[in-house]
Amino acid sequence: DTAVSQTPKYLVTQMGNDKSIKCEQNLGHDTMYWYKQDSKKFLKIMFSYNNKELIINETVPNRFSPKSPDKAHLNLHINSLELGDSAVYFCASSQEDRIQETQYFGPGTRLLVL
Amino acid sequence: AQSVTQLGSHVSVSEGALVLLRCNYSSSVPPYLFWYVQYPNQGLQLLLKYTSAATLVKGINGFEAEFKKSETSFHLTKPSAHMSDAAEYFCAVTLGGGYQKVTFGTGTKLQVIP
Repeated sequence: DTAVSQTPKYLVTQMGNDKSIKCEQNLGHDTMYWYKQDSKKFLKIMFSYNNKELIINETVPNRFSPKSPDKAHLNLHINSLELGDSAVYFCASSQEDRIQETQYFGPGTRLLVL
Repeated sequence: AQSVTQLGSHVSVSEGALVLLRCNYSSSVPPYLFWYVQYPNQGLQLLLKYTSAATLVKGINGFEAEFKKSETSFHLTKPSAHMSDAAEYFCAVTLGGGYQKVTFGTGTKLQVIP
């Protein structure tokens, strides 16, 4: 069974469209994260949720809106997609939001905006 | 503020040779340090982490890292490289503050030459 899963794996879309990426974890973790990895492999945190509450919100455009319907899911909705949004988006989870916790990553969603 | 610097975006070693991937951190308080590995088209996977216990940390797949406060370093080593070690390696740091906000380095791509 996949611990952290993301759908879709690949997403190709036009500028201006709205798209969503879904993430689910079956590890029973309390905390979930979204990361963006750019073309140079630089990985930067976007959001973090603990027990469905937002605890980290980095300087991400308002076009990005995370939603956590329950502890096992953290979805990412992106409005008005731009070329610069092209990247690999990773979802991750950890048991708690304590600093020494290991994060478990999903396989990534490769977003290409044309 | 916290940061990590990985020296060398690409490292090539021969199969069977020593692997040394360098990571230096910047932190005003004692940090927690991690090494993650990313295989092609996959998410990140934890190799090992330092959480202020033993300074020499052993991880999976024969990797280990030593925390050296005087040098602000957390270099990753493996005595003998295998072809399967070819991947991207990320050093990461996080600090206290009540919740986990991990800062990743820019990554080092390890190539293993047969």
